[in-house]
Amino acid sequence: DSGVTQTPKHLITATGQRVTLRCSPRSGDLSVYWYQQSLDQGLQFLIQYYNGEERAKGNILERFSAQQFPDLHSELNLSSLELGDSALYFCASSQGDRGPYEQYFGPGTRLTVT
Amino acid sequence: AQTVTQSQPEMSVQEAETVTLSCTYDTSESDYYLFWYKQPPSRQMILVIRQEAYKQQNATENRFSVNFQKAAKSFSLKISDSQLGDAAMYFCAYRSSLGNKLTFGGGTRVLVKP
Repeated sequence: DSGVTQTPKHLITATGQRVTLRCSPRSGDLSVYWYQQSLDQGLQFLIQYYNGEERAKGNILERFSAQQFPDLHSELNLSSLELGDSALYFCASSQGDRGPYEQYFGPGTRLTVT
Repeated sequence: AQTVTQSQPEMSVQEAETVTLSCTYDTSESDYYLFWYKQPPSRQMILVIRQEAYKQQNATENRFSVNFQKAAKSFSLKISDSQLGDAAMYFCAYRSSLGNKLTFGGGTRVLVKP
């Protein structure tokens, strides 16, 4: 158990819908990262927040957005869902913003878009 | 942009034997971190081992060790005395010392035969 929690574990929804994925980082960690793992794209970095501020952006679609709240939990919002958005979404957390800090991954949320 | 390549989609090893997984990366930076993550059927991402580029000594963690060749931009993982529980996908990952995101390779599936 990494100490990072993600809810829900599974989500099944229809195309065009909107969903919210939630992540709670390890105690004491200020950074939250979101990654997407799909069959065709592999593991890709989406976005990072540090202490409530966006710090880095990767291959995140405009239909996707995220935020980190004052209690440091983070939410990833996916809207106008398409079949290709079906994937495993991981949240990871680390103590610091960059440097030697290791990232610890949550169990993931599996999203299925039908 | 940095890229990470794992050329072996799948490797098979007999229980108690040794297997080596290959990873090459492309970067123009001199300071960075390299990681191996394990993803068992549960889909949890588990950190196996990390290597700082400025360290010449290869990292070891129990039965796991790396061969880090900075000039060749190569970072292989050796699993010794393979156990059934080692069966999983293994991902090589790169992170800049100045950056935040992990860049992953495509993964190598390890099968352990009893």
